[in-house]
Amino acid sequence: DTEVTQTPKHLVMGMTNKKSLKCEQHMGHRAMYWYKQKAKKPPELMFVYSYEKLSINESVPSRFSPECPNSSLLNLHLHALQPEDSALYLCASSQPDRDAYGYTFGSGTRLTVV
Amino acid sequence: AQSVTQPDIHITVSEGASLELRCNYSYGATPYLFWYVQSPGQGLQLLLKYFSGDTLVQGIKGFEAEFKRSQSSFNLRKPSVHWSDAAEYFCAHLTGNTDKLIFGTGTRLQVFP
Repeated sequence: DTEVTQTPKHLVMGMTNKKSLKCEQHMGHRAMYWYKQKAKKPPELMFVYSYEKLSINESVPSRFSPECPNSSLLNLHLHALQPEDSALYLCASSQPDRDAYGYTFGSGTRLTVV
Repeated sequence: AQSVTQPDIHITVSEGASLELRCNYSYGATPYLFWYVQSPGQGLQLLLKYFSGDTLVQGIKGFEAEFKRSQSSFNLRKPSVHWSDAAEYFCAHLTGNTDKLIFGTGTRLQVFP
């Protein structure tokens, strides 16, 4: 299995809703990432988990809450989002060994906040 | 600050023509450099990467890139472009000793038949 699987592919949520994005990989990668990508922009790093521990938080608002239940799963819990949070949310995984580096990205969750 | 720059926002080529997408980096030591491709509404696919060693790197889909320290560049090339190569291309680098992969602004490639 050489894929990163993200669900759902599309999500529409209201500003008072609570939802979660899910990411799964079975490649034995020990680092997982959340990126946010606005239209016609490059992906921007949000969070990094290394060996199931949060290692980098790029000053992301608390309405985004990551969780790494085990080495294969990464969740992003969403609460009280704003319309400007609408974007493509990408999950990626890699080995944290630099010489083996090469992020594998999922196809993303297209989030619309109404 | 460490960064990669993609000077071309949009490039148009004819099918069968050669392609070169530019990427410049600013970093003192040898950076870890990558090229990714993204089709509309899709995730990113790794084309190739450079860490050290041979400065000419071969990737998937017939792409190659050459690391030139003297020019601080890591340009992506393909000798003959196919219509399916139309996509957004991102140069990226790893920052310092962290796990942060940072992307350039991207170059949109359009291919005419």
